[in-house]
Amino acid sequence: TQLLEQSPQFLSIQEGENLTVYCNSSSVFSSLQWYRQEPGEGPVLLVTVVTGGEVKKLKRLTFQFGDARKDSSLHITAAQPGDTGLYLCAGGDSNYQLIWGAGTKLIIKP
Amino acid sequence: ETGVTQTPRHLVMGMTNKKSLKCEQHLGHNAMYWYKQSAKKPLELMFVYNFKEQTENNSVPSRFSPECPNSSHLFLHLHTLQPEDSALYLCASSPYQINEKLFFGSGTQLSVL
Repeated sequence: TQLLEQSPQFLSIQEGENLTVYCNSSSVFSSLQWYRQEPGEGPVLLVTVVTGGEVKKLKRLTFQFGDARKDSSLHITAAQPGDTGLYLCAGGDSNYQLIWGAGTKLIIKP
Repeated sequence: ETGVTQTPRHLVMGMTNKKSLKCEQHLGHNAMYWYKQSAKKPLELMFVYNFKEQTENNSVPSRFSPECPNSSHLFLHLHTLQPEDSALYLCASSPYQINEKLFFGSGTQLSVL
């Protein structure tokens, strides 16, 4: 059974701090998607990475896919209250199935 | 209206009730999905429809019955649910059934008493 472990499960930091959350697996994925889910809403796709070692930036968010395509990280620089939410990663396998992590709940305090 | 719309947003039902969840997408997508989201657990895929045909049923109990009358509409019919079925039910769509670029609705928060 393929699993995606997200860490930490919960993170609460002050506005302006930097943070990194992780998504790890023992399985290889063809792609890795990151979503953000705000309270009372559904997940919204932030980025998809497909190449080992790939780095994508979305304003203050930096996403990296591991060289072996088994893990990924999301780094936020100078976090803002608007970054608050549940961050979900999902790996695409060779059968086009999505394997989901349980999420990292992030709270940015003003 | 654009995007994926789910109704109702909140639903409280007894174990003997019958209710239905509705999902509508205005994106012209061909694939639609039902997911169950419980606290601190990964999203659980329930059903997938591709071009109105059901292509996946992930061992979901028969008390959940999906219906897809066309590519834009998806229903989840509920009957004789259990308290452990309480969760956020999310509908999603994608251009094709390759599980990429999912667009989610806001979900229906279901409480079974």
